[in-house]
Amino acid sequence: EIVLTQSPGTLSLSPGERATLSCRASQSVSSSYLAWYQQKPGQAPRLLVYGASSRATGIPDRFSGSGSGTDFTLTISRLEPEDFAVYYCQQYGSLPLTFGQGTKVEIK
Amino acid sequence: EVQLVESGGGLVQPGGSLRLSCAASGFTFSNPWMSWVRQAPGKGLEWVANIKQDGSEKFYVDSVKGRFTISRDNAKNSLYLQMNGLRAEDTAVYYCARGGYYYVSWGQGTLVTVSS
Repeated sequence: EIVLTQSPGTLSLSPGERATLSCRASQSVSSSYLAWYQQKPGQAPRLLVYGASSRATGIPDRFSGSGSGTDFTLTISRLEPEDFAVYYCQQYGSLPLTFGQGTKVEIK
Repeated sequence: EVQLVESGGGLVQPGGSLRLSCAASGFTFSNPWMSWVRQAPGKGLEWVANIKQDGSEKFYVDSVKGRFTISRDNAKNSLYLQMNGLRAEDTAVYYCARGGYYYVSWGQGTLVTVSS
């Protein structure tokens, strides 16, 4: 099983600042099969990025994903008020499909 | 507009059974793999099961193997999860999701509580 470890657990930032979220895998994620999701309280998750760096339909270009192998990053270039949420990474290169434990981006 | 609407959750005693349903609309249901993903209260996301377009392939997380069964009825645009032998640790919001590997669309979820 591939274990995904996200860091930091909580990121305290102000609107307009840059957010950098990390996701590290316990073993290489094949073909960069890594996705990122955003979840707000009481809502279902929303797909942001798949294939490590491809933005999902309708996702603003301030969200970008990068990385390969075992190290992946989600960057939000300039935080908007609606971006404060919990973010999860997920690998789909091998079964069982696994998620990271999440990074909460909160308003400083 | 894609819609996924789950139903069938509720309170059940340990060892009991529930059948979750997911009604899909706004896309050709028979095209994609479909999945169930759950989230325990205050916790992260956990993949539960996925099923191929024609139902010929199904995969499960180890913790539910032998207890849960995923199925679909393409004629009814519906996805199901039969859950038997429920345990306290199965308590979670269960989401229906479009996709077998990453999830393009999600329902709003249905809460399953396993408690005596």
